[in-house]
Amino acid sequence: AQKITQTQPGMFVQEKEAVTLDCTYDTSDPSYGLFWYKQPSSGEMIFLIYQGSYDQQNATEGRYSLNFQKARKSANLVISASQLGDSAMYFCAPVITTSYDKVIFGPGTSLSVIP
Amino acid sequence: DGGITQSPKYLFRKEGQNVTLSCEQNLNHDAMYWYRQDPGQGLRLIYYSQIVNDFQKGDIAEGYSVSREKKESFPLTVTSAQKNPTAFYLCASSSKPGPYGYTFGSGTRLTVV
Repeated sequence: AQKITQTQPGMFVQEKEAVTLDCTYDTSDPSYGLFWYKQPSSGEMIFLIYQGSYDQQNATEGRYSLNFQKARKSANLVISASQLGDSAMYFCAPVITTSYDKVIFGPGTSLSVIP
Repeated sequence: DGGITQSPKYLFRKEGQNVTLSCEQNLNHDAMYWYRQDPGQGLRLIYYSQIVNDFQKGDIAEGYSVSREKKESFPLTVTSAQKNPTAFYLCASSSKPGPYGYTFGSGTRLTVV
């Protein structure tokens, strides 16, 4: 069974502050790595960042960075210098290696940036 | 510009009717996927296809059907057997199966009336 936990259903952050979104996954199959996606209120899913399980350094993409702890199956997303446009749902999505390399999405965290 | 086009954006269906959601991509991607999203929840995989003329069931395939006759197209039919079809449906593609970023369409919101 595969289970992805995002313990913070809703979060608030002050504009220009940093925020950390949590993600842990409990999967019976090995994981290649993990994605984070953003979903604004318009509904489209936007790729943010990816970290491979065997990457030595944590991934960074602009204001986004991952705190990936493979042994704990934890991959927290850090957003620095929050902007109003960061208000959205955020989903972590590990890539599970089964007979097909499948991306499983967590339940999501709603982030609201306060001016 | 390359991307994924889903149509229509909003769709209303009467109970007992089948309805087909369109998904077209011009990214030359091999793999395509259909996800369902219910309010306040994450995405659940309905069907996926790694190559033309081949597709596999995802976690919630019951009441749905797909075809992959062309690389560019992966339509999803919501049949009358799907008991609770009201949801937001997202189509995605990736260059190949595996840990490669997905490109998503803008979604179709299906409502049963």
